[in-house]
Amino acid sequence: AQSVAQPEDQVNVAEGNPLTVKCTYSVSGNPYLFWYVQYPNRGLQFLLKYITGDNLVKGSYGFEAEFNKSQTSFHLKKPSALVSDSALYFCAVATGGGNKLTFGTGTQLKVEL
Amino acid sequence: GAGVSQSPRYKVAKRGQDVALRCDPISGHVSLFWYQQALGQGPEFLTYFQNEAQLDKSGLPSDRFFAERPEGSVSTLKIQRTQQEDSAVYLCASSHNRVGNQPQHFGDGTRLSIL
Repeated sequence: AQSVAQPEDQVNVAEGNPLTVKCTYSVSGNPYLFWYVQYPNRGLQFLLKYITGDNLVKGSYGFEAEFNKSQTSFHLKKPSALVSDSALYFCAVATGGGNKLTFGTGTQLKVEL
Repeated sequence: GAGVSQSPRYKVAKRGQDVALRCDPISGHVSLFWYQQALGQGPEFLTYFQNEAQLDKSGLPSDRFFAERPEGSVSTLKIQRTQQEDSAVYLCASSHNRVGNQPQHFGDGTRLSIL
């Protein structure tokens, strides 16, 4: 069975500072890893994915994530946070046919002035 | 529209009633998924279609839940004899291919409240 852990329910960061949202995963086989963001009363919006290749992947809105196979992690990062980045972030994993996403419990990011 | 469209956005039903939730995926997307998101939780997989074929329904919580996609486009999730624990946001997603290496695109969901 595949699973995802997001150890922090909430992350607070000052605007302009770097941010990191943590994610670790457990799968059999090679993982497909995704980050999504959810704003209130909205669906999930795709940010970035890791399928294969370069361990550092870049996505939308200046976000990036680093795949670390030995630590089974896929942390989301951004060099300089914006207040508008405040939202709920989900890490997700799929394997094999990649047809079923398993999500973490989400991390609420709060960026303050 | 360009995105995944779900209707209704909000649905209130009395316990024991049947409900039907609609999903209109992005045109041309082969794969369609339904997820259930309880308050304060991540989405949980319910079922998956490839065109009109339902290939995985392992996440459906009971036989009261039924999904269909008869023409390989629009999908309907039906819940019979609703119970209070069915209250959640139901999310639909579609993706371009069968392989799973393309992102799933989500609709805004239907918030179902069972009284």
